[in-house]
Amino acid sequence: NFMLTQPHSVSESPGKTVTISCTGSSGSIASNYVQWYQQRPGSAPTTVIYEDNQRPSGVPDRFSGSIDSSSNSASLTISGLKTEDEADYYCQSYDSSLWVFGGGTKLTVL
Amino acid sequence: QVQLVQSGAEVKKPGSSVKVSCKASGGTFSSYTISWVRQAPGQGLEWMGRIIPILGIANYAQKFQGRVTITADKSTSTAYMELSSLRSEDTAVYYCARDGGIGVDWGQGTLVTVSS
Repeated sequence: NFMLTQPHSVSESPGKTVTISCTGSSGSIASNYVQWYQQRPGSAPTTVIYEDNQRPSGVPDRFSGSIDSSSNSASLTISGLKTEDEADYYCQSYDSSLWVFGGGTKLTVL
Repeated sequence: QVQLVQSGAEVKKPGSSVKVSCKASGGTFSSYTISWVRQAPGQGLEWMGRIIPILGIANYAQKFQGRVTITADKSTSTAYMELSSLRSEDTAVYYCARDGGIGVDWGQGTLVTVSS
C-alpha cells in the first residue's frame, strides 16, 4: 500500500522560512496531486495547498507547495513565519484514487 | 463557498451503530466527492471512504470495509456516514470533506464517544 511519510515535528523562529516534506513510499508522487492541510488545536483541518501548488482563496502567498520527483517528495514551504502558523500540517494524496494521508507534522514557531 | 455543517456529538455503547450527517450549503453538492475522515484523540487524520452523490457510488478504505456505509441525499444536499459494531477504538472526531476542485472544504467535526 502507498504511504506518505512526514517528519514528526519541525520548529523555526518567527520571520524565518520552514519546509515540511512528504515522501511517497512507492511509484511516482508526481502521478497524483498532493494537498496540504493545516490543523490548529481544537479545530477542523483547512486546505492551504491543493493540486501540488495551488492556494485556495484567502491563503496567504507565504504558503507554497512543490513536487520533487528526484526524491519522490512533496514539500510545503512557509515563509515569513508567524506565531499563528503554529499547527499540525498533513499532506494527502491518492492510492488508486483513494485518499492517503501523511502522519502529520507539528510546526512550532518559537 | 460551500459550508458543511455536521450533526452533533454522540455517545454510543460498544456494539452499537452511529450515523453522522453532513449538510452542504452555498455550493454544488452532487458533482463533487464527499469524503469522511476521522481523528482519534491525539492522532492523525484517517480516511474512511467517500461518495460521489451524483452517481451514488461509494468507496471505502479497506480497514472499514463491511463496517461503514456512506450515503448521500441529493434532495437535501446531505451526506451520511454510518459506522457499525462500534468499539472503544472508534472514539474520535469524524469529519466530512468536500473536494470542490479548488481545494477541500471541511465540516466542523462530530465527536463520537464509544463507552460502556
